[in-house]
Amino acid sequence: ETGVTQTPRHLVMGMTNKKSLKCEQHLGHNAMYWYKQSAKKPLELMFVYSLEERVENNSVPSRFSPECPNSSHLFLHLHTLQPEDSALYLCASSQVNLNTGELFFGEGSRLTVL
Amino acid sequence: SQKIEQNSEALNIQEGKTATLTCNYTNYSPAYLQWYRQDPGRGPVFLLLIRENEKEKRKERLKVTFDTTLKQSLFHITASQPADSATYLCALVSTSGTYKYIFGTGTRLKVLA
Repeated sequence: ETGVTQTPRHLVMGMTNKKSLKCEQHLGHNAMYWYKQSAKKPLELMFVYSLEERVENNSVPSRFSPECPNSSHLFLHLHTLQPEDSALYLCASSQVNLNTGELFFGEGSRLTVL
Repeated sequence: SQKIEQNSEALNIQEGKTATLTCNYTNYSPAYLQWYRQDPGRGPVFLLLIRENEKEKRKERLKVTFDTTLKQSLFHITASQPADSATYLCALVSTSGTYKYIFGTGTRLKVLA
């Protein structure tokens, strides 16, 4: 396994469902991120975890709940979502304090809320 | 508020020509600027970064310039190929605390054979 892996790649859920997105990074990085990507909009930062501590929460509704049990894993728990939450959810990791600050993205989880 | 603009939603060019993509920003002083490539249904992939004290950076057929006075970065692909067709995103990066990234909406490039 290499890079950043996201599962599932596609998810369809009703507004009353509870589901989770999973992200795993095999790069030894110390920061992980959740981004939301909607059509014709820039990537929106949702959450940042650095050394397993949440350091940023970008005014995200409480129906999205992140969890970072260790430096390699990141979850996004979803509950009572709205149709406008349908989007591509991207996980990324980086090594903070490395010169490039390059973000390594997963392939994304395409979420459709009915 | 901080704002990034990338030129035109889509850019079509003929194979072999140079593609030039623009990234303009306001109300921000980034430590550096990054460019990513994103293919449909895939996550973005890092291409290049340029620091605030650098004017130009090259990598193979790619060239990036950064003008902090104009608050603009230009991204060039020389001798473009159909395989270069993708969406290109610019991101401003500040390094205060955990890195903070602000992305543009991206420019969709199509290289015609």
